[in-house]
Amino acid sequence: AQRVTQPEKLLSVFKGAPVELKCNYSYSGSPELFWYVQYSRQRLQLLLRHISRESIKGFTADLNKGETSFHLKKPFAQEEDSAMYYCAREDSNYQLIWGAGTKLIIKP
Amino acid sequence: DGGITQSPKYLFRKEGQNVTLSCEQNLNHDAMYWYRQDPGQGLRLIYYSQIVNDFQKGDIAEGYSVSREKKESFPLTVTSAQKNPTAFYLCASSIGPGTDYTEAFFGQGTRLTVV
Repeated sequence: AQRVTQPEKLLSVFKGAPVELKCNYSYSGSPELFWYVQYSRQRLQLLLRHISRESIKGFTADLNKGETSFHLKKPFAQEEDSAMYYCAREDSNYQLIWGAGTKLIIKP
Repeated sequence: DGGITQSPKYLFRKEGQNVTLSCEQNLNHDAMYWYRQDPGQGLRLIYYSQIVNDFQKGDIAEGYSVSREKKESFPLTVTSAQKNPTAFYLCASSIGPGTDYTEAFFGQGTRLTVV
């Protein structure tokens, strides 16, 4: 079965420190991968997708097919980055398969 | 104001009762989804619909039912057969299959509590 694994339920870092939220997926051809974010009292929304290779709010994510990973990184965390982050991949039926999510807390 | 709207925001249900959660979108999206969000479990797919008058079971469809009579609407009924219905329910929509990527747009969610 296709799976997405986010090993950390909670990640807490200090403001200004680097952040890396881990995501691993089960191997299956060329996956479409996404990071979604849910800020407090806001709806879940797309943060970035790997095909666009863009940086959003200072976050980047590189697809590593050898390690089947799609970790989300930011060099200097900001307090407003505190949120719930979900990694997801698209399956062959165009459905999204979700990781369990990582709660990121940025300490002042 | 374009988007996807869920109502109500909070819902209380007595045991043994059916209850229906509303989801409406004006994005002209073909595909709509219902997820259940529980702490530490991510989003689990209940039902999805890729076109009007058609829907498919997701991973945890037991105890739930849906309809898709209109493109804009995808209501979810939580039946008395659902053994643990207290949860946060999210509705989403996307353009639909056949596109280059799948970006899901989410509603604000409905928190259902069984009392």
